[in-house]
Amino acid sequence: NAGVTQTPKFRVLKTGQSMTLLCAQDMNHEYMYWYRQDPGMGLRLIHYSVGEGTTAKGEVPDGYNVSRLKKQNFLLGLESAAPSQTSVYFCASSYGADSTDTQYFGPGTRLTVL
Amino acid sequence: KQEVTQIPAALSVPEGENLVLNCSFTDSAIYNLQWFRQDPGKGLTSLLLIQSSQREQTSGRLNASLDKSSGRSTLYIAASQPGDSATYLCAVSDDYKLSFGAGTTVTVRA
Repeated sequence: NAGVTQTPKFRVLKTGQSMTLLCAQDMNHEYMYWYRQDPGMGLRLIHYSVGEGTTAKGEVPDGYNVSRLKKQNFLLGLESAAPSQTSVYFCASSYGADSTDTQYFGPGTRLTVL
Repeated sequence: KQEVTQIPAALSVPEGENLVLNCSFTDSAIYNLQWFRQDPGKGLTSLLLIQSSQREQTSGRLNASLDKSSGRSTLYIAASQPGDSATYLCAVSDDYKLSFGAGTTVTVRA
């Protein structure tokens, strides 16, 4: 099993450009999540999905959109990138949201917006 | 809003010393508390998960305790090794949502 994979690993954008980050999981998990990690701060939830075709806002959703067209994939889009979106982005997945469920994380995407 | 704090932010110890990492949280209505390890440039790996009804969990040299009423958890790593050098993150779960601390970066000196 590859677990959770993220594409790309690194990306540099100019202000105003758009891009899509791809997350894929092969564990047949229902729940998927997008987080961002900034220096000196914990991970913050951007958006999440509780199943194919569903998405919901997390703690810091502004400036991002997501789609979950297939159960194994969760896409994060930046329509018009801003320097404040420079961060490391992590995707995660879990079987459910029970008290015994842990989240499995991808390796991250380092995004720089100039 | 749940606030998770980890103190200290960084820790350096000689090999063989026991490590004690602290985590505190403000809202005791949690599903579980998890400890993760993050290596530089890598994703997070789950180390231990303690359900809200449990007091502790153990895995090898790692032991984590949970005191929900006081909003505290402690991760103990016995007989530290240079390979334990990493950032350790604490997270509390409220249904689907994980709230993370900023982490403690540990350096174990050979």
